Amino acid sequence: GAVVSQHPSRVICKSGTSVKIECRSLDFQATTMFWYRQFPKQSLMLMATSNEGSKATYEQGVEKDKFLINHASLTLSTLTVTSAHPEDSSFYICSARVDRGGNSPLHFGNGTRLTVT
Amino acid sequence: KQEVTQIPAALSVPEGENLVLNCSFTDSAIYNLQWFRQDPGKGLTSLLLIQSSQREQTSGRLNASLDKSSGRSTLYIAASQPGDSATYLCAVWDGGSQGNLIFGKGTKLSVKP
Repeated sequence: GAVVSQHPSRVICKSGTSVKIECRSLDFQATTMFWYRQFPKQSLMLMATSNEGSKATYEQGVEKDKFLINHASLTLSTLTVTSAHPEDSSFYICSARVDRGGNSPLHFGNGTRLTVT
Repeated sequence: KQEVTQIPAALSVPEGENLVLNCSFTDSAIYNLQWFRQDPGKGLTSLLLIQSSQREQTSGRLNASLDKSSGRSTLYIAASQPGDSATYLCAVWDGGSQGNLIFGKGTKLSVKP
């Protein structure tokens, strides 16, 4: 089945530093990947949609200059949290579909737990 | 705006029981609904995907039903096991061109041995 690999699984960083999270589709090409954020006891909230070769589409309220998304190839999307602050501490998850649109299952990475001290 | 609600927020049952998790959505104009499982600190595992034209999907001990007109879906777990303990999320796709999902907050299931 379709596998999405996310790295790292856990990261602790100091306030003011930047952190990069990678999301790879291992056995399929993903023209579109999604980045979600999950706070404790809350549902996943879509942050941005990442399209290969073009600029990401950010959801309302998500700072595009703070959460930099790059989708340089059909198998890799990266999320960089710039100048991280404690309030950015959260669980970040990426996902991808085998095909466009929503008529196939969405496959998720295992998530990245970010802790900013 | 589509909203997805899951009831109950948490559920604890003894091993062997059959159980039902509920999911409701406010806008019935969906294309599909997907149930996921999330283990603590982990990503999501897709369990079942139901297209809007379908009424139910089955996989092993899991059965998901969809009543699009009433905006409801249920996930039935038969003969529950301690390994079923996890948070179960439902999500709908409303047909947006990009295919992203709208999630409920999940039901945290604990199956006691």
